[in-house]
Amino acid sequence: EAEVAQSPRYKITEKSQAVAFWCDPISGHATLYWYRQILGQGPELLVQFQDESVVDDSQLPKDRFSAERLKGVDSTLKIQPAELGDSAMYLCASSFAGGVYEQYFGPGTRLTVT
Amino acid sequence: AQKVTQAQTEISVVEKEDVTLDCVYETRDTTYYLFWYKQPPSGELVFLIRRNSFDEQNEISGRYSWNFQKSTSSFNFTITASQVVDSAVYFCALSRSYNTDKLIFGTGTRLQVFP
Repeated sequence: EAEVAQSPRYKITEKSQAVAFWCDPISGHATLYWYRQILGQGPELLVQFQDESVVDDSQLPKDRFSAERLKGVDSTLKIQPAELGDSAMYLCASSFAGGVYEQYFGPGTRLTVT
Repeated sequence: AQKVTQAQTEISVVEKEDVTLDCVYETRDTTYYLFWYKQPPSGELVFLIRRNSFDEQNEISGRYSWNFQKSTSSFNFTITASQVVDSAVYFCALSRSYNTDKLIFGTGTRLQVFP
């Protein structure tokens, strides 16, 4: 069964350092999402791509976060510089075409900023 | 504004008991979608069900059933004869059908099933 791949699974970094997460969606899925889940809360969308274009990045802290999906397949989310409050689970999801199609989630990257 | 409320923070039951997880949503849209996801300790969110706002029929899938009532803006989830493997955090989520289809999640309900 096809899955969304994410790496690394765990990341510990010091504040002010740069960190990057990678996501490979299910083959053929045009829509890719990055969510952030703070402990004890539900996930919140950071950025949504349709192919290589950003559809929604209204909740992305653009002063320190960036995301790209250059060839419309895999994607990278970067934080620079990392802050203590960035400690969270970063989840990637993909769907066939967005809209009515369900989103399939990867295993996530748990980030700890010290 | 769209919002999902899961008032039950944590529920504990003994195996074979039935358990209902509550979900109340707010939206001004006439067309929207409701979802339930399961998040086991491994962390991956597992899709359980999607329901559109025009389909109020209840649905049953094995031990799982869902009750959608637009009159009370609720989309409750019942597990019949719970099992230890059902232990997880369950999230209810809402999305609109246009503009952006991001999922708006509730805060989740942690279900613990004891043997």
